[in-house]
Amino acid sequence: NAGVTQTPKFQVLKTGQSMTLQCAQDMNHEYMSWYRQDPGMGLRLIHYSVGAGITDQGEVPNGYNVSRSTTEDFPLRLLSAAPSQTSVYFCASSYTFLGTGDYGYTFGSGTRLTVV
Amino acid sequence: AQSVAQPEDQVNVAEGNPLTVKCTYSVSGNPYLFWYVQYPNRGLQFLLKYITGDNLVKGSYGFEAEFNKSQTSFHLKKPSALVSDSALYFCAVSSHNTDKLIFGTGTRLQVFP
Repeated sequence: NAGVTQTPKFQVLKTGQSMTLQCAQDMNHEYMSWYRQDPGMGLRLIHYSVGAGITDQGEVPNGYNVSRSTTEDFPLRLLSAAPSQTSVYFCASSYTFLGTGDYGYTFGSGTRLTVV
Repeated sequence: AQSVAQPEDQVNVAEGNPLTVKCTYSVSGNPYLFWYVQYPNRGLQFLLKYITGDNLVKGSYGFEAEFNKSQTSFHLKKPSALVSDSALYFCAVSSHNTDKLIFGTGTRLQVFP
């Protein structure tokens, strides 16, 4: 298993450009989510999905779109990038082991995005 | 609504002394509580979690945390700090009602030699 894979690791965009941050997991997790991390703000939830075809907004959804056509993939789209979207983005999925009751999250390694 | 408060932006402690990083939470239903650590320019590393069972949870690198339901707290502790523990620490909460994981704003731990 590769876990949660995010691409690209680094990206520089010009204001107004669009791009898609990719997130894929091979663990058959139903729940996936996107966060942005900014200094002093912690990680803030952008969008999340409880399964294929279902998405919902988190704390800071404006300027971002998501879709979940498959269980494995949860891309984050910036339609018109703004300098305020300069941040580090993390994707995560959650797991539950019904037999043991264990529960937790797996995070990707992050995408550092700069909008100039 | 879920929320997490980490009241200290920074905690300073001398090497060898005990450390505490505070976390309080608000959530509907039974909480699932997590601590993560982040080193500079790195991703999130899982330290420990409370799902159910013993209120005292032991995790990686000698860290532990105590779930206190009456005080809605989940403070991170370590008996003897190391300089290498210096990093950014995040507390996070979800619950059996939701998979949404909400983070606190983080506490920077600085351990001085």
